[in-house]
Amino acid sequence: NAGVTQTPKFRVLKTGQSMTLLCAQDMNHEYMYWYRQDPGMGLRLIHYSVGEGTTAKGEVPDGYNVSRLKKQNFLLGLESAAPSQTSVYFCASTPVQGGAFFGQGTRLTVV
Amino acid sequence: GESVGLHLPTLSVQEGDNSIINCAYSNSASDYFIWYKQESGKGPQFIIDIRSNMDKRQGQRVTVLLNKTVKHLSLQIAATQPGDSAVYFCAENRPGSARQLTFGSGTQLTVLP
Repeated sequence: NAGVTQTPKFRVLKTGQSMTLLCAQDMNHEYMYWYRQDPGMGLRLIHYSVGEGTTAKGEVPDGYNVSRLKKQNFLLGLESAAPSQTSVYFCASTPVQGGAFFGQGTRLTVV
Repeated sequence: GESVGLHLPTLSVQEGDNSIINCAYSNSASDYFIWYKQESGKGPQFIIDIRSNMDKRQGQRVTVLLNKTVKHLSLQIAATQPGDSAVYFCAENRPGSARQLTFGSGTQLTVLP
């Protein structure tokens, strides 16, 4: 049972480049989330999904897009990366009852 | 806006002592709270949770206390061990928020030998 798996683990982008972060969960959870974590701050919610085919904006959605075509996958896209998007990104999934399970994170650097 | 905050950003304790990490929340409507542990380079790991209809919940070596009157949450770790060194976050969930969690900024717990 892998839980929540994120790929890639590390990435360096140039300003203006695009990329997609993949999150996969094998726990059949309905809810999935993308957070970013910056130094000295807690996790901030970017986008989330309450089920397959649905997405919604979180606290800091600008510059990101998401898709949930399959229940087990939640993709986070950066269309035109900016240095301000340098961060550690965490995906999480949540069952109907109980707390969220997190992936190991993706460390993204935009130069 | 509403936020979840921690009283102390760092906490150092001697190995074997008990640790208490505090958290203040401001949204009285929040009905579910979770403590997470995050080790360096890893994702947050669920420790223990508590619902607003409870005052106390115990796990293995950990206890969470909820004081709704003063909107305060605490995590107690008994007989702290070196492996407990990490950043601890509290998080709150508000009804009707699609189970979104609002996180505090974290407390760094350091266990001294």
